[in-house]
Amino acid sequence: GDSVTQMEGPVTLSEEAFLTINCTYTATGYPSLFWYVQYPGEGLQLLLKATKADDKGSNKGFEATYRKETTSFHLEKGSVQVSDSAVYFCALSDRGGGFKTIFGAGTRLFVKA
Amino acid sequence: EADIYQTPRYLVIGTGKKITLECSQTMGHDKMYWYQQDPGMELHLIHYSYGVNSTEKGDLSSESTVSRIRTEHFPLTLESARPSHTSQYLCASSETDRWDEQYFGPGTRLTVT
Repeated sequence: GDSVTQMEGPVTLSEEAFLTINCTYTATGYPSLFWYVQYPGEGLQLLLKATKADDKGSNKGFEATYRKETTSFHLEKGSVQVSDSAVYFCALSDRGGGFKTIFGAGTRLFVKA
Repeated sequence: EADIYQTPRYLVIGTGKKITLECSQTMGHDKMYWYQQDPGMELHLIHYSYGVNSTEKGDLSSESTVSRIRTEHFPLTLESARPSHTSQYLCASSETDRWDEQYFGPGTRLTVT
C-alpha cells in the first residue's frame, strides 16, 4: 500500500540556518503530496501542497518540489526562525485509496536563537 | 482561518468511565476524520465520515465509536475508558472539492488513570 517515509528528528538548527527535511513516498497511483505543520499544543495546519510531478508548493518561505523520478518531496527553507520550531509531517493522498491521507511519522524541528 | 473546535482540550478520567469527545466545524465540510496521535507523534486514522449518517472505521482498530447525525458535528465515544486509551485525539474535516486538504482541530489530550 501507499506509504510515506520522512527523516527522523529531532532536527536542531540555529536561527537563519538552511533547513531540509527529507520525505520519500511509495504510491501505486498519482498522489498529491503535502506538508503539514503542528505547533506546540495545536492541531496540524496545511503548509503547502503539490498535485503533480515537477509542481513546486510554497508558503511562508517553505518550499517543496514533487519529484516523481526520485519519489521525493523534500521540505526546504532558506533561513529558519525560532518561530518555525514545530513538528512537520509529510503526507500523501490518492483518490484510488479512498478519501484518506497517509501521514509520515513527523519530524520535530528545534530552532535556537 | 479554519473553524473546527474540539472539547474538552484536556481530560483526566478514571478507568471504566464513559466519555465523549466533541468535534464541531462551521465550514459545512462533508468529510470528517478522527486521528489518534501517539507520543511519538505518528497519526493513526481511527474513524471517518463522508457525510451525514456515514461512518467508517479507519486503519487503526479502535474501541471507540462515532456518529454523524449533523453535518457539523462528529463526536467520538468511549463506552469504558482504559489506560491504553490515553492519547491525543485530533479531529479534522475537508470539503468535497478539496477533499485532500484537511483542517484540524486543536486536539483533546485524554489521560485515563
